[in-house]
Amino acid sequence: NAGVTQTPKFQVLKTGQSMTLQCAQDMNHEYMSWYRQDPGMGLRLIHYSVGAGITDQGEVPNGYNVSRSTTEDFPLRLLSAAPSQTSVYFCASSYRGGAGNTIYFGEGSWLTVV
Amino acid sequence: GQQLNQSPQSMFIQEGEDVSMNCTSSSIFNTWLWYKQDPGEGPVLLIALYKAGELTSNGRLTAQFGITRKDSFLNISASIPSDVGIYFCAGPSGSNYKLTFGKGTLLTVNP
Repeated sequence: NAGVTQTPKFQVLKTGQSMTLQCAQDMNHEYMSWYRQDPGMGLRLIHYSVGAGITDQGEVPNGYNVSRSTTEDFPLRLLSAAPSQTSVYFCASSYRGGAGNTIYFGEGSWLTVV
Repeated sequence: GQQLNQSPQSMFIQEGEDVSMNCTSSSIFNTWLWYKQDPGEGPVLLIALYKAGELTSNGRLTAQFGITRKDSFLNISASIPSDVGIYFCAGPSGSNYKLTFGKGTLLTVNP
């Protein structure tokens, strides 16, 4: 995947623990987004950002926080993990005003909350 | 919000067969995207469609943007084992940072 890096790849958390999923892109993209993927549900938008200092909620934002202090980074924070947050998380980035073929996805972060 | 209805949910086919899947929406999309996801990987763009009626090919894959702008189709010809994966349709809900995805079609190809 061209330039979108997610860490960690795999993580197991206990209920109530906090953690941050990291996302970084080196393409100078204005737009960055976080999605979660659950079996049979496709990908659903959690939070997005249209530029440094600007974030907004997507379809399923509850239980997650984000910030965008730099153009390159868009971390996703779970403040108190719940089993319902067991999922695969994908970060994506794209150019402002870019066409659909300018959207790039990271390789995913597999999170299990026990 | 907008929803994309993708069908079929899964397909089991023999190598060499052609495959067809589709996506419908209750509202108009100005762009249709088709992605493939391999196990343990992120979605990879296969085809992007930008104009109603557009028919675009990428190797053995062909996708069409429906005239009503509320549907799209993806066809795979002469399937091979490496076509196995989940295929998603998606469309920007206003902009590229807000994609709406279908629930995916799981394709299994028996050699």
